[in-house]
Amino acid sequence: GAVVSQHPSRVICKSGTSVKIECRSLDFQATTMFWYRQFPKQSLMLMATSNEGSKATYEQGVEKDKFLINHASLTLSTLTVTSAHPEDSSFYICSATLGTTDTQYFGPGTRLTVL
Amino acid sequence: DQQVKQNSPSLSVQEGRISILNCDYTNSMFDYFLWYKKYPAEGPTFLISISSIKDKNEDGRFTVFLNKSAKHLSLHIVPSQPGDSAVYFCAASQGTSGNTPLVFGKGTRLSVIA
Repeated sequence: GAVVSQHPSRVICKSGTSVKIECRSLDFQATTMFWYRQFPKQSLMLMATSNEGSKATYEQGVEKDKFLINHASLTLSTLTVTSAHPEDSSFYICSATLGTTDTQYFGPGTRLTVL
Repeated sequence: DQQVKQNSPSLSVQEGRISILNCDYTNSMFDYFLWYKKYPAEGPTFLISISSIKDKNEDGRFTVFLNKSAKHLSLHIVPSQPGDSAVYFCAASQGTSGNTPLVFGKGTRLSVIA
């Protein structure tokens, strides 16, 4: 089956630093990747849609200058949380789709804690 | 405004019995619905989906029912097993293209008691 990995699985950083999270499709090429965020007891909230080779499309309320997304290849998308603050602490999950098929495959998520 | 609602945050069922998880949506443009299962500290795993042209889709122990007029869908698991204990998310989208983002409910935590 389609496998999506994320790295790191857990990161703790100081306020003001930047953190990069990688999302990789291991056995397929993903033209589209999505980034979600989940706060405790809340649903997965879409942050942005990332298409290979083009700029990401951000959801309303998500600051594109704070959450930098790069989708440089068909197997890798990165999310960089710039100048992280404690309120950015959350569970970040990416997903990838197999071309135009209808299923999103999710990564295992990254737990970010900003002190 | 929550477009996809799972009003039951938790559900407990005895092993062997049927588990019924419910989901309501408000956006009439949604025409594709999915259920995902999620364990703690892991990403969601796809379970089953249904297109709006159908009212039922079955895959082994899992069946999803869709009532378009009521904007309601449900996931039935029978028989329930302890390994089914997890958080179940209902998700919806406009269109079935892999480029379409999903809107998720808040999830229902299912506990199957042996």
